[in-house]
Amino acid sequence: EAQVTQNPRYLITVTGKKLTVTCSQNMNHEYMSWYRQDPGLGLRQIYYSMNVEVTDKGDVPEGYKVSRKEKRNFPLILESPSPNQTSLYFCASSLSAGSGNTIYFGEGSWLTVV
Amino acid sequence: AQSVSQHNHHVILSEAASLELGCNYSYGGTVNLFWYVQYPGQHLQLLLKYFSGDPLVKGIKGFEAEFIKSKFSFNLRKPSVQWSDTAEYFCAVNALYGGGYQKVTFGIGTKLQVIP
Repeated sequence: EAQVTQNPRYLITVTGKKLTVTCSQNMNHEYMSWYRQDPGLGLRQIYYSMNVEVTDKGDVPEGYKVSRKEKRNFPLILESPSPNQTSLYFCASSLSAGSGNTIYFGEGSWLTVV
Repeated sequence: AQSVSQHNHHVILSEAASLELGCNYSYGGTVNLFWYVQYPGQHLQLLLKYFSGDPLVKGIKGFEAEFIKSKFSFNLRKPSVQWSDTAEYFCAVNALYGGGYQKVTFGIGTKLQVIP
């Protein structure tokens, strides 16, 4: 089954404790991205990756890092989480950043930073 | 940079009422357009998309949307809503720039509540 898998789905952590949210897709997609969803702000793109070893900042990259060493994986790293990073995070992938390609989303990761 | 506006942030309808959710974008070049739905506690799922051809596109669950290029709009419609349509709806625009660069922007979403 084609899917985008994120882990963990739910996490409560403390300020400053590094954490990683993993994302894996099994569709051989080139394009992957991370979004955060906040009430009244919709989805905002954090980082995206056009292909292996190619990553770039989205609209709200501050406080986050990503890596794309393999095609299927695109982890989101919070080196020193802060309470304003409490949010719902979605990983997404598509065949390429190409015309008409559907974006597939993971189930979301609820992150609370206290 | 492109932007996406969804005019209705919260809509309440009775079952069987007709639905139209507005979406306007600001970008003068080529775009692909999407509507996604997010049911409570779930991830986003594609309802329908437009990338070329007939500007009236039909999606799942009886939804349709019309791309009106002159108005930079891609409004979502359904003739008769059901209680199970209660969800949040997101319009998204993929703006195609030169050199293969593309950028997807989402609207802030519209919460639809259908009352039985």
